[in-house]
Amino acid sequence: NAGVTQTPKFQVLKTGQSMTLQCAQDMNHEYMSWYRQDPGMGLRLIHYSVGAGITDQGEVPNGYNVSRSTTEDFPLRLLSAAPSQTSVYFCASTRTGFGDTQYFGPGTRLTVL
Amino acid sequence: AQKVTQAQTEISVVEKEDVTLDCVYETRDTTYYLFWYKQPPSGELVFLIRRNSFDEQNEISGRYSWNFQKSTSSFNFTITASQVVDSAVYFCALSPGGDSSYKLIFGSGTRLLVRP
Repeated sequence: NAGVTQTPKFQVLKTGQSMTLQCAQDMNHEYMSWYRQDPGMGLRLIHYSVGAGITDQGEVPNGYNVSRSTTEDFPLRLLSAAPSQTSVYFCASTRTGFGDTQYFGPGTRLTVL
Repeated sequence: AQKVTQAQTEISVVEKEDVTLDCVYETRDTTYYLFWYKQPPSGELVFLIRRNSFDEQNEISGRYSWNFQKSTSSFNFTITASQVVDSAVYFCALSPGGDSSYKLIFGSGTRLLVRP
């Protein structure tokens, strides 16, 4: 099993550009989430999905869109990148949700100029 | 409010010293889970331990031990005889119950530097 994979590993964008961060898992997990990590603030939840076709907002959803067409994939779209979105992005998956361990991908380091 | 506080921003110790990382949480839920993750300099997040709110037994795994005390809402992590490879950022996280059971609430992390 590859676990949770994320691409790209690094990305530099200009303000106003859009892009999609890819996330995939091969563990047949129902729950998937996107977090961002900023210095001194830990990780904060952006969006999450409890299954294919179902998504909802987390703590910091503004400027991001998600969709979940398959169990395996959970892409995160930046609609119009802003410098405030410079961060490290982590995708996570967990089998059933409550109390289950969340497994994280390796992260994507995004810089918006 | 649901919150995790890791008051120690950075700790520096000399190899072989014992070190305790503090974690204090807030939740009104009676059923919840607590986690510790390690983030080494390479950047990935490594799961260390999960504890549910009904299990207050301390846990020991090699040089690592965890002390869960509901009375003080704390879930502290001790590394015995620290090693340079323990240098990392350590995160404590809360999985609350009810409608928020899908998410993890993270503390801000404690950066541990173990010097040779």
